[in-house]
Formats: sequence, structure tokens, C-alpha cells
Amino acid sequence: NAGVTQTPKFRILKIGQSMTLQCTQDMNHNYMYWYRQDPGMGLKLIYYSVGAGITDKGEVPNGYNVSRSTTEDFPLRLELAAPSQTSVYFCASSYSISGDGSPLHFGNGTRLTVT
Amino acid sequence: DAKTTQPNSMESNEEEPVHLPCNHSTISGTDYIHWYRQLPSQGPEYVIHGLTSNVNNRMASLAIAEDRKSSTLILHRATLRDAAVYYCILRAVLGQGAQKLVFGQGTRLTINP
Repeated sequence: NAGVTQTPKFRILKIGQSMTLQCTQDMNHNYMYWYRQDPGMGLKLIYYSVGAGITDKGEVPNGYNVSRSTTEDFPLRLELAAPSQTSVYFCASSYSISGDGSPLHFGNGTRLTVT
Repeated sequence: DAKTTQPNSMESNEEEPVHLPCNHSTISGTDYIHWYRQLPSQGPEYVIHGLTSNVNNRMASLAIAEDRKSSTLILHRATLRDAAVYYCILRAVLGQGAQKLVFGQGTRLTINP
């Protein structure tokens, strides 16, 4: 069982370039999330999705876009990379709409450097 | 979002119990307390969660104060593999049941052999 898989693991971008961070999960989870983690800090929510075709903004959505065409995949798009987007990006998924919420399962991250 | 306060770092010895404290004085009645940990170069990993009662699972125990303004994560016998950053989080609910985990800076736990 692969869980949450993120690609690539590392990437260096020049300012103004664009790229898509890929995230796929094989647990049939309906909820998916993108977080970013700056050095020495906790994670911040960028976007989330409650199911195929439904996405919404988190705390820090500026400069990013997402789509959710299938249950499995939740790519994150950077259109015009800026140095402030240098970070480690984590994708996560969860199931259940029960009151206490099921645990989030995280991928191992994509380390992005914008120079 | 309700905030949590944790010590920046703690140190313990292998095979000894570890008590990781967390203060959350502004917790609301519906906030669940979640703990995650992050090993070096990995994504966060779920440890345990609870609302009011103490909770146990195979990884740890969670002791919640009666007024819910603080909690303690207990690792009963620490191993070297438990060295990580531990995050105490008050889980918020977003639209349509999605969860928002607000991560602070966490406690960096060092385990001495």
C-alpha cells in the first residue's frame, strides 16, 4: 500500500517559471490537502479538496492553483515562481466526515527552491 | 484559530517514559486535540487524538486535563526512533467536513542512547 505519493522529491526553479507538484493517493480518501513548511516552522494549509471537482482555499493560497479531477490525484500548480515559494510542500489525504475527523496521511514532501 | 504552546525542545533517555506537555487555554468545546510527529526529511505522522477523555493507542497515550486547557502526550518507553518534532494541534473543521490542522513550531524531542 503506497499511501500518499508526491513527485518530484526535489526541484529547483528560476523566478517566473511554472511547475506542477504531483500528489496521488491510493486509499480512496475523499479529502486531500496541500501544506507548505518553511524552514524551522510548522505547516500551513494552501488548498484543500473535499472530493473530485471541489476545491477551496486554505491560509496561504496566493500564487498557487489546484484541481481535483479524480479521487486519487490532487496536483498543485505554481504559475510564476517567486523566491517566497521556496519551501517544502506536503500533500495529505484523509477519509471520513465523522465529527472527530480521521487522521491525515502525509506524503514525504517536495523540496522546492526558487532562485 | 485556537493556539497551542509547547516547549521548543526536550531530551530524554532511551527506554524511559517521556511526557510532552501542551497548553491550549483558548480551546473551544468542539476542538479535538491532535498530536502528530515529524521525523527528519519526512512528512508528519499521526500519533493520537482526543476530545475529553484520556486515550491510548499502540504508539502513545494522551492525557487531557479536566478543564481541557492542557494535555500531555506520553511515550511509555522511548526509543531512538521516537526522536522527532512533536506537534500538538487543535483541529478546526472547514467547509464540508474537511479538517484544518494549525501547526505551531512543535517540540523537538531528542532521545539519548
